Amino acid sequence: AQKVTQAQTEISVVEKEDVTLDCVYETRDTTYYLFWYKQPPSGELVFLIRRNSFDEQNEISGRYSWNFQKSTSSFNFTITASQVVDSAVYFCALGRRPNTGNQFYFGTGTSLTVIP
Amino acid sequence: EAGVAQSPRYKIIEKRQSVAFWCNPISGHATLYWYQQILGQGPKLLIQFQNNGVVDDSQLPKDRFSAERLKGVDSTLKIQPAKLEDSAVYLCASSLDRGELFFGEGSRLTVL
Repeated sequence: AQKVTQAQTEISVVEKEDVTLDCVYETRDTTYYLFWYKQPPSGELVFLIRRNSFDEQNEISGRYSWNFQKSTSSFNFTITASQVVDSAVYFCALGRRPNTGNQFYFGTGTSLTVIP
Repeated sequence: EAGVAQSPRYKIIEKRQSVAFWCNPISGHATLYWYQQILGQGPKLLIQFQNNGVVDDSQLPKDRFSAERLKGVDSTLKIQPAKLEDSAVYLCASSLDRGELFFGEGSRLTVL
């Protein structure tokens, strides 16, 4: 069975602080994908990153960075020097690709509030 | 490239009434998904189509929910009759083989 756990329900930080959002996943598949999505107050889920299970290289994109560790089944997301615009709900998701088409499993989300 | 289009954005109905949501996926995306997102929770898959065939509808309350994807392009999700607990945002998404899900803006349903 596939499962994604985001243990942090809500996080508040002061602007310019760094913040890490945790994501732990469970799967028996050897090939899978991990994603982060951002859901601002407007409601639309915005794709941030996709990672393949065979690529553990960490990634940095501007103020965003992702730490993928298969040994601990974690895919954590760090925002450096947070800004008010980063306030949103962030979802981690696990994807798999059987012959019937991609399947996705979402965590319950972490609500991030950046205080000016 | 146009994104996933959904309508209506907002709908308020009385319980036991019916409602329909429409989705037009990104052109060329074979897989279409309907998710239900209740306030404070993550998206929950209701139904997944591959072209015009149903791949997974195991979490669709079939006594009141139905969905179709005619001609493998746009899709309609219907609720009849609606219950209070159906109040949620209904998200449509589509994907290609690469795997990213592209979401529409969602249709927010309030059942009174």
